[in-house]
Amino acid sequence: EVQVVESGGGLEQPGGSLRLSCAASGFTFSSYAMIWVRQAPGKGLEWVSAISGSGGSTYYADSVKGRFTISRDNSKNTLYLQMNSLRAEDTAVYYCAKGAGDDMSAYFHHWGQGTLVTVSS
Amino acid sequence: SYVLTQPPSVSVAPGQTARITCGGNNIGSKSVHWYQQKPGQAPVLVIYYDSDRPSGIPERFSGSNSGNTATLTISRVEAGDEADYYCQVWDSTSDHVVFGGGTKLTVL
Repeated sequence: EVQVVESGGGLEQPGGSLRLSCAASGFTFSSYAMIWVRQAPGKGLEWVSAISGSGGSTYYADSVKGRFTISRDNSKNTLYLQMNSLRAEDTAVYYCAKGAGDDMSAYFHHWGQGTLVTVSS
Repeated sequence: SYVLTQPPSVSVAPGQTARITCGGNNIGSKSVHWYQQKPGQAPVLVIYYDSDRPSGIPERFSGSNSGNTATLTISRVEAGDEADYYCQVWDSTSDHVVFGGGTKLTVL
């Protein structure tokens, strides 16, 4: 059974850092693109970042470029999102999701339950 | 950057047909995927590659995509279909995943 489970969320002050993790199981992790999507309270889905199966290609939303870094450890079947210089507007539930393949135009079929990040002083 | 436009809300009576649109410049040339999200839950894929349906999704859900508009159609709407629906594409010009703003489906 395919599973992705996020962790690492919590309360952080503006300007601080957090690292989110997404543990994957039930599939050949290195063969699939992965993405991070966030949802601010009461708002819609916002794509944050994406990474190819090998980790060789990474993509970022303009709102996080230069502050967030996506990475993956295919030996540990784990996806990461390093979030630096956090702002209040980064407050959201962060979801990781598995791509249908290594093609970024493919869909995202398996989603985690999300981890809440709150940025506040 | 590429923008997907959805109506904020759609209302329909039980048993009727709901149509949720997703507008974008020449969206017909892109692959559109649709997700359903109920309160407090993660998104669920309901349509992929414009009109394909994942296993476990009722046949009442269908999709189309042409020109500047993609459409998610839900036939014989049930109370359990009440949710937020999002369209999504990959924009190869900007190398961005793009989501529409979402449409809240209300079953009257």
